[in-house]
Amino acid sequence: DAMVIQNPRYQVTQFGKPVTLSCSQTLNHNVMYWYQQKSSQAPKLLFHYYDKDFNNEADTPDNFQSRRPNTSFCFLDIRSPGLGDAAMYLCATSREGTLEKLFFGSGTQLSVL
Amino acid sequence: RKEVEQDPGPFNVPEGATVAFNCTYSNSASQSFFWYRQDCRKEPKLLMSVYSSGNEDGRFTAQLNRASQYISLLIRDSKLSDSATYLCVVNELNAGNMLTFGGGTRLMVKP
Repeated sequence: DAMVIQNPRYQVTQFGKPVTLSCSQTLNHNVMYWYQQKSSQAPKLLFHYYDKDFNNEADTPDNFQSRRPNTSFCFLDIRSPGLGDAAMYLCATSREGTLEKLFFGSGTQLSVL
Repeated sequence: RKEVEQDPGPFNVPEGATVAFNCTYSNSASQSFFWYRQDCRKEPKLLMSVYSSGNEDGRFTAQLNRASQYISLLIRDSKLSDSATYLCVVNELNAGNMLTFGGGTRLMVKP
């Protein structure tokens, strides 16, 4: 019954080697988000899509890119992962606007060697 | 000053105790308030939305105090399974109206 699905659950990459994390949803929600969460810290919003409209947070590094080819799928691309990019990456959706609750995927734990 | 602020804890309480957390927010125009629960290395899960009139769900009670700009979460009769980090989430108009997370309060319930 998973509604927001993230793959893989764990991802190991090498320093500087591009990596893509994926997220899919069966909720038909308009808004999809990517959060980065480091140990003992709050989730930090990287960017979000409202339908096809991409919204980047001002402090999100250029190293992070995203694609949303259709309503159901959203990808996070890290072009050149650094050691500081090791974190849990959480995908979330909401039906409409930001006044609504978030539905999270189970996250992808990224390790950078 | 952080926009959404929580005491990180940990709060160590015995089983059966009542425990309360507060969360302060900086923008008086904020309209949406939530409590999420997060277990170690898992995703946040919605615990409850917080309404102006206050709301209760079993052992959990959430309240909103707009005048003082804080929300609270009360847990009665704590269970071992309540051990987790509790995240306060508020929509922040200064942050593009995005939902902003507090740093979380860690709760540890001991036998």
